[in-house]
Amino acid sequence: DAMVIQNPRYQVTQFGKPVTLSCSQTLNHNVMYWYQQKSSQAPKLLFHYYDKDFNNEADTPDNFQSRRPNTSFCFLDIRSPGLGDAAMYLCATSRGDRGDQPQHFGDGTRLSIL
Amino acid sequence: RKEVEQDPGPFNVPEGATVAFNCTYSNSASQSFFWYRQDCRKEPKLLMSVYSSGNEDGRFTAQLNRASQYISLLIRDSKLSDSATYLCAVNSPNFNKFYFGSGTKLNVKP
Repeated sequence: DAMVIQNPRYQVTQFGKPVTLSCSQTLNHNVMYWYQQKSSQAPKLLFHYYDKDFNNEADTPDNFQSRRPNTSFCFLDIRSPGLGDAAMYLCATSRGDRGDQPQHFGDGTRLSIL
Repeated sequence: RKEVEQDPGPFNVPEGATVAFNCTYSNSASQSFFWYRQDCRKEPKLLMSVYSSGNEDGRFTAQLNRASQYISLLIRDSKLSDSATYLCAVNSPNFNKFYFGSGTKLNVKP
């Protein structure tokens, strides 16, 4: 049973047209993450939520925003996608109170920009 | 300097071979370490955690060398199905951030 679910699996949008990616989890983990991964590169952390506390990475472009309305859901909003934003976007969760616990990933959303 | 570094490979090995990858990390205060497997165009899947005493799961053995700040993954008796990219992940000292290497690609040939 999927425990971290991302929708959609594939998203095509036009240059400059806002897009929202969603992630839900059934693990009741208090930390949720968004990563961007391009081909042959490491997943790059964009931001994470510890409960409701939002933590942005210093190099995450302003074009990327996130919302976490409740424990189970987290959204990634890309306000004006550029060609360079085409990538796989990965959502992950972890238990914030246990440093020895790994992250659990969703299947990812592959974003294409026309 | 990157938080986590890996040799991108590819490592091309025949079936049945033993292969090992290393992953170096820069923050000596890191506490938790993991190996993930990632197939092409898929999400990373946890392969194993890396404990201070090392751990083994079937054909896979993971070890930690704190003095030299690296972790290793050993795969014995390689199978065709082991072909994938292997990512290492290291947590930040405050636990809530994980840094990934860019992965080592393994190709197991018949």
